[in-house]
This record gives sequence, C-alpha cells and structure tokens, in this order.
Amino acid sequence: DIVMTQSPDSLAVSLGERATINCKSSQSVFYGTNNRNYLAWYQRRSGQPPKLLIYWASTRESGVPDRFSGSGSGTDFTLTISSLQAEDVAVYYCQQYYSMPFTFGPGTKVDIK
Amino acid sequence: QLQLQESGPGLVKPSETLSLTCTVSGDSVSSRSYYWDWIRQTPGKGLEWIGTMSYGGKTYRNPALMSRVTISVDTSKNQFSLKLTSVTAADTAVYFCARQPDSSSYYHYDFWGQGTLVTVSS
Repeated sequence: DIVMTQSPDSLAVSLGERATINCKSSQSVFYGTNNRNYLAWYQRRSGQPPKLLIYWASTRESGVPDRFSGSGSGTDFTLTISSLQAEDVAVYYCQQYYSMPFTFGPGTKVDIK
Repeated sequence: QLQLQESGPGLVKPSETLSLTCTVSGDSVSSRSYYWDWIRQTPGKGLEWIGTMSYGGKTYRNPALMSRVTISVDTSKNQFSLKLTSVTAADTAVYFCARQPDSSSYYHYDFWGQGTLVTVSS
C-alpha cells in the first residue's frame, strides 16, 4: 500500500496570510505514460463531506477559489492557500489514486490565529 | 446536479452485518463513464477506501476488508450498496459513498454523499 503522510498536523494562520500543507507518498504517484500525478486534495469542514479542491496534483476543481493551489510531483506535494479566509477553517486531506488500495493522508487542521 | 445519499441503520450489533445503500440522483449508476465508491472515516484510521464498483457490477475491494465486504448495484433503483459482515467496534465510522468522474483509469472523487454515522455497539 502507498502510505500518505502530511505535515504539519495542524496550523494556525492569520486572516489574509499564507497557509502551506505538505503531503508525501511512500512511493511515486507519477504515471509517465500520461505525465500525471495521481494526487488529489480535499477540504473537510465540520459536519460536511470532503470537498474536492485539487486533482492531478495541480488542477483546480471548477468553482474552487484561485487562492487554493497545488504543486509537486512524484512523492512530494504541497497545497497552498495564498490568503486565508475565515471559511477556509477545515481539515485538509491528500489522497493518492495511483494504485489500489487508494489511500489518504491523516489530515491537516487549519485554524485562524 | 449529481446527488448521492447514504441510508441505513445507524446502530449495528457486534458480529452482525452492516448494510448501507447509496441512492444516486442526477446520473445513472449504470453509466460506463464512472466508478462508484465506498469510503469511511474512523477516529483511529482516518479516511479509508472500502471499495469501488464499476459498470456491470465489477468490484474492487480494499484487501484489509476484502473478506468482509460486498458491493452490489440495483440499477432499477439507481442505487449501489455496501455490506460489511462480522462488524466490531473498529467498524464504527462515518460511511460515505462517492463518485470517480471517469472509468478509463483511476480518478479522484468529485462528488460525495453527506455521510452516515454507523455505530457498532450492543
């Protein structure tokens, strides 16, 4: 199984400041045939299901604000919130869909400082 | 707009079978275009993929749960279902159904149900 790890476990950022979350996979999730990283990011607000933010490591889902961006390749990935808003308080998860069993990171909790 | 809704008992006794249904509206579970999945979130293990169902009812299951999991489809009701046998307290979780937006490969989840809490307790 591909093990996903995230850092930090939690972070508190002032409104308008940048939040950066890291995700690492135990093996590469890059598929050279189609030049894609099989990595997604989700936001889970309290009492809500996960919401897709980013797929293929860097493609923003339709309707997701452009303050959210994803980067990285291979085994190391980053989700950046460029200017934190109050509605961004949530737990953020990365997920690999390169191979079964699909696996998720443990989550990073983002709060307002 | 696609909607997924999980339903089923919120309380199951240890050693019994957990049965959940996901009702799909706004699209067809028979579509060749998608995969339909079950995922759960437990306090101890976080988000865990349970299994995937594809067109025609072919299923893929997490090896960690494989011997206890059955995923099936009822096309007449536009639903797919999960059965998990011999449950223990470790199966207490919020269970989600979700869609992968393409079946040509593996994909992310673009739509999720609201989730349903299932507690295993006598």
